[in-house]
Amino acid sequence: DAGITQSPRHKVTETGTPVTLRCHQTENHRYMYWYRQDPGHGLRLIHYSYGVKDTDKGEVSDGYSVSRSKTEDFLLTLESATSSQTSVYFCAISTTIQETQYFGPGTRLLVL
Amino acid sequence: KNQVEQSPQSLIILEGKNCTLQCNYTVSPFSNLRWYKQDTGRGPVSLTIMTFSENTKSNGRYTATLDADTKQSSLHITASQLSDSASYICVVSLNTGGFKTIFGAGTRLFVKA
Repeated sequence: DAGITQSPRHKVTETGTPVTLRCHQTENHRYMYWYRQDPGHGLRLIHYSYGVKDTDKGEVSDGYSVSRSKTEDFLLTLESATSSQTSVYFCAISTTIQETQYFGPGTRLLVL
Repeated sequence: KNQVEQSPQSLIILEGKNCTLQCNYTVSPFSNLRWYKQDTGRGPVSLTIMTFSENTKSNGRYTATLDADTKQSSLHITASQLSDSASYICVVSLNTGGFKTIFGAGTRLFVKA
């Protein structure tokens, strides 16, 4: 998976609790992305980062925040998890905004 | 509205047979089109990437075609193998100043022995 790890790989949490997912890369790629994947939908972009401390919103950013304090780490936080945020979350990286993205193994999140 | 539609939703074929997956898009301004393969429980992996001027791109037994005039792409798999069982995702990027990529919902391919 191109030097990308995600943690945790699986998580079960309760509605209303905060949750943080971590993406770690060893490729020194500038761009990092968080997507969610749900049955019947294509991957949908939540947030992305174009450098340390530089982030921007994607199409489904409500209820999510991100932080990137180091090149190698991109954190996704669900401030107060809801059942609609039950999904599989993928992190991806790329060298430039137009280049191929390399995806991590995913995190399966269940919000009860 | 920018959209990427894939067909069929799912497909079952016998090992050794060929198949073709379709992708239609209504995306503008077009930058490039990629096909990804996603095995169950794993992240997508890039197969091919094509820009506006490219009609065909191959990667082993995978051949992608692009018709920018009709905004259609296809992915042809030759001599299918059991390991080809996966979802195949068409992804179109827009040529804007920022980041804009639209993912299709994918075609689920099952290869049977």
